[in-house]
Amino acid sequence: GENVEQHPSTLSVQEGDSAVIKCTYSDSASNYFPWYKQELGKRPQLIIDIRSNVGEKKDQRIAVTLNKTAKHFSLHITETQPEDSAVYFCAASPQGAQKLVFGQGTRLTINP
Amino acid sequence: DAGVIQSPRHEVTEMGQEVTLRCKPISGHNSLFWYRQTMMRGLELLIYFNNNVPIDDSGMPEDRFSAKMPNASFSTLKIQPSEPRDSAVYFCAISFSLGNQPQHFGDGTRLSIL
Repeated sequence: GENVEQHPSTLSVQEGDSAVIKCTYSDSASNYFPWYKQELGKRPQLIIDIRSNVGEKKDQRIAVTLNKTAKHFSLHITETQPEDSAVYFCAASPQGAQKLVFGQGTRLTINP
Repeated sequence: DAGVIQSPRHEVTEMGQEVTLRCKPISGHNSLFWYRQTMMRGLELLIYFNNNVPIDDSGMPEDRFSAKMPNASFSTLKIQPSEPRDSAVYFCAISFSLGNQPQHFGDGTRLSIL
């Protein structure tokens, strides 16, 4: 079955700097890759997603890149702000299945 | 608001008791998912339904866990008997079409088994 590895487990950056979180997946048939943000005590919320027929997708300060050959995808946050502090989860969904397999999460802290 | 109402928000009970978690999704969804979140194991899919039919329950940890979806607007996750290691946050999520689509989570139930 699918396995998703996420790095780093914790990340601390200065406000205004960029943050990058990386994930690798094992199943080459996976074709959908969402990213979720979870604030303390809250539910995971979808922030951006990408499908396997696209290499990059951007939404304001957030971008996701996908390398199908290497089976890895990354989340990029530019001009970080204190409200970006949260736990971020990547996930992969195998083709033909709706289930999401989540990475272990990255705790991002933005230092003012 | 993702349109998924979970109840209760918090539950504290003694081991051995039966626990029932509830999920009420808004109309229009096709699929419903139950997840468990712990520090040690992260977010794990327990079971999911398509059009109220269970599709994959391979994540259900033991026979003590069961889930039902009697209609499109209601689902339950039951643990009987409960054990301290079942303590976790349980999330219900929905998606609005079949295939690979975004999932939208409810606010979760924080379960503590003493």
